[in-house]
Amino acid sequence: NAGVTQTPKFRVLKTGQSMTLLCAQDMNHEYMYWYRQDPGMGLRLIHYSVGEGTTAKGEVPDGYNVSRLKKQNFLLGLESAAPSQTSVYFCASSRLGQGSSGYTFGSGTRLTVV
Amino acid sequence: ILNVEQSPQSLHVQEGDSTNFTCSFPSSNFYALHWYRWETAKSPEALFVMTLNGDEKKKGRISATLNTKEGYSYLYIKGSQPEDSATYLCAFNSGANNLFFGTGTRLTVIP
Repeated sequence: NAGVTQTPKFRVLKTGQSMTLLCAQDMNHEYMYWYRQDPGMGLRLIHYSVGEGTTAKGEVPDGYNVSRLKKQNFLLGLESAAPSQTSVYFCASSRLGQGSSGYTFGSGTRLTVV
Repeated sequence: ILNVEQSPQSLHVQEGDSTNFTCSFPSSNFYALHWYRWETAKSPEALFVMTLNGDEKKKGRISATLNTKEGYSYLYIKGSQPEDSATYLCAFNSGANNLFFGTGTRLTVIP
């Protein structure tokens, strides 16, 4: 049982480049989330989805877009990367919403924007 | 943005010692409180989801309590083992689809 799989694990981008981070889950969870983790700060929510075809903004959505065309996949896009987007990105999924069930996290993507 | 505070930031204990740490969160609009264990080079793993004031949850040597009226939760580890070394995160939910995470308590258990 793979759980939540993130690709790639590492990436270096130049300022202005674009990229897409892929998150896939095999638990049939409705809810999926993208978080970023920065030194000295707690995980912060970028965007989330409450089901296939839906997306919503989280706490720090600027500079990111997301799509959930299939229930098992949640894509995070950076259209024009900036150094401020250097971070570790975590995808997570949950069976229930509103924090009613625990989150299953992926192993993270370390992104450096130079 | 909601403030979730965890203390201490880090601690070292000897193998066999029991320890506890604190998570403080807003006492209004409480819906759920999560605890996660995060080992180095791995991803956070859910320990507990707590929703009721006075809740106590237990998983092996780890347990947690919840006081929603005063806005705190304690995580206890009894008889710490080196494999308990990890960062322990708490996260607060106010009913929306966002968990607000603390910065964690980093526990090191010295053999």
